[in-house]
Amino acid sequence: DADVTQTPRNRITKTGKRIMLECSQTKGHDRMYWYRQDPGLGLRLIYYSFDVKDINKGEISDGYSVSRQAQAKFSLSLESAIPNQTALYFCATRGQGEGQPQHFGDGTRLSIL
Amino acid sequence: AQSVAQPEDQVNVAEGNPLTVKCTYSVSGNPYLFWYVQYPNRGLQFLLKYITGDNLVKGSYGFEAEFNKSQTSFHLKKPSALVSDSALYFCAVSVNTGFQKLVFGTGTRLLVSP
Repeated sequence: DADVTQTPRNRITKTGKRIMLECSQTKGHDRMYWYRQDPGLGLRLIYYSFDVKDINKGEISDGYSVSRQAQAKFSLSLESAIPNQTALYFCATRGQGEGQPQHFGDGTRLSIL
Repeated sequence: AQSVAQPEDQVNVAEGNPLTVKCTYSVSGNPYLFWYVQYPNRGLQFLLKYITGDNLVKGSYGFEAEFNKSQTSFHLKKPSALVSDSALYFCAVSVNTGFQKLVFGTGTRLLVSP
């Protein structure tokens, strides 16, 4: 079983709809992250969370919100989806300790028509 | 502000030849540097990291990277490429904070031909 699981893996929806992407992890990590990947732009940070009581905006948080329901679960919401939010979305986790790498889920491919 | 540059969109190499994927960075303070690989329909997989110490770091699948502070570079290398190494490679940098806000390069596609 994957350590970082993202659902759904693919989603097609219409402009204006509310969408939730979910991430759960079995690694026991306290730090969780949401990124979006666009061709030619690499990955950009949307939100990150230190623990269930700590949520922080990343570089491109406008139009997105998050919820950390438990240490193992971190959801990303698009309240009113727009076409330029079409992208590949990744969740990542990281454990404590200097220089620990981030561990990524397999992503959600989101298309907004 | 942190930034990473991967100057090549694509690198082509024949199987068995050495490969290099380039990365340069800009950061205030001491950098933490990472390489990740992405295969189709998969998330990023960690390859190796530089935190401190020896400038040559070894990672998974026979990859290694050399940290060069004066040139602010962290190039990924492998002595003998395999067709299965074909993938998208990302370099990333952060500074020493608890959150580890990674800044990624735009990625380099490596194509290894038989």
